[in-house]
Amino acid sequence: DTGVSQNPRHKITKRGQNVTFRCDPISEHNRLYWYRQTLGQGPEFLTYFQNEAQLEKSRLLSDRFSAERPKGSFSTLEIQRTEQGDSAMYLCASSLTAVGYTFGSGTRLTVV
Amino acid sequence: AQRVTQPEKLLSVFKGAPVELKCNYSYSGSPELFWYVQYSRQRLQLLLRHISRESIKGFTADLNKGETSFHLKKPFAQEEDSAMYYCALRDNTDKLIFGTGTRLQVFP
Repeated sequence: DTGVSQNPRHKITKRGQNVTFRCDPISEHNRLYWYRQTLGQGPEFLTYFQNEAQLEKSRLLSDRFSAERPKGSFSTLEIQRTEQGDSAMYLCASSLTAVGYTFGSGTRLTVV
Repeated sequence: AQRVTQPEKLLSVFKGAPVELKCNYSYSGSPELFWYVQYSRQRLQLLLRHISRESIKGFTADLNKGETSFHLKKPFAQEEDSAMYYCALRDNTDKLIFGTGTRLQVFP
């Protein structure tokens, strides 16, 4: 297990298109988090799962955003009808406890 | 409101100089604080957390509840310390709240 894996690394999409990102956590980690990071800002929390249950969603997460974690393994984050303001780095992290976050390398989304 | 503030966007020092990266927090409960580091072209990684009271790569951080601060310190900076540093707070729902980060540049 080489850590948290995110795909794709980069995504360029036209405004209005839908995009989906995937995160594969460390296999024994039951918690999975999605964050978004824009230039000059720290990571902002979007949502998190414990096993397959989505426990919390940020108010930042509009109804165009949806996340799933079927079977408590990998997770997907989908953005529908993308807008230019969605351009950011999307980070995934996993942990076994609340303390030991391991981050992935992120997916950089550019909406043109 | 729960918030982490890192007032400096950029901190530049020469090799061998002391470093202090500032972090202040706002939290109503008993805080749990962390420092994360991101080296160039690498992923975000945990540097240290206050409850373990450890020193990692020569860095230490002490939680000061009176001043609501968790400043990161190193007595002698090295060039390889150049990176983005993020202070983070774990809230009561177990998610991390990050500050905006401070870029540390260590010149030779």
